[in-house]
Amino acid sequence: NAGVTQTPKFQVLKTGQSMTLQCAQDMNHNSMYWYRQDPGMGLRLIYYSASEGTTDKGEVPNGYNVSRLNKREFSLRLESAAPSQTSVYFCASTRDRDRSYEQYFGPGTRLTVT
Amino acid sequence: GENVEQHPSTLSVQEGDSAVIKCTYSDSASNYFPWYKQELGKGPQLIIDIRSNVGEKKDQRIAVTLNKTAKHFSLHITETQPEDSAVYFCAASPNTGNQFYFGTGTSLTVIP
Repeated sequence: NAGVTQTPKFQVLKTGQSMTLQCAQDMNHNSMYWYRQDPGMGLRLIYYSASEGTTDKGEVPNGYNVSRLNKREFSLRLESAAPSQTSVYFCASTRDRDRSYEQYFGPGTRLTVT
Repeated sequence: GENVEQHPSTLSVQEGDSAVIKCTYSDSASNYFPWYKQELGKGPQLIIDIRSNVGEKKDQRIAVTLNKTAKHFSLHITETQPEDSAVYFCAASPNTGNQFYFGTGTSLTVIP
């Protein structure tokens, strides 16, 4: 069981470039999430997906798009990167929503936009 | 939306002492309150959680208390050990599992 995996681990982009952050979980979880973590601000929800085929905005969705490709995979896309998007990005998934809301986090992607 | 405040931002304790971290929330609809531990370079990991129908929960050296009336909840770590050193986050969920709102974190250092 790999849990939640994220690629890449590190990425440097120039302003205006685009990229997709990949996330996959092998725990058969229904819900998946994308967060960004900035110093002194905790984790803020960007988007979440309660089930395959559905996505919803979180607290800070501007500048991002997501795709829930299937039950396992949830990707985050930056269409035109900005320095304000420099952050550490975490993907998470939640165990069976009806019984437990324990979130499992991936190891993170450290993104720098210059 | 929900607003979660966490205090203190940094905390140093001697090994063997207790550590207490406090959080307040604003949305009375919040009904699930997890605590996460994040070690350097890793993702957060759930250490304990509590639901709104329970006032206290304990798991070995870790306990969480919830006061729904005052809208605050606290993490208590007893007999601290150096490996407890990490950043701890509280969170609140108003709709049990769809959205989580995190506090800003507490950096705990346990001095041997």
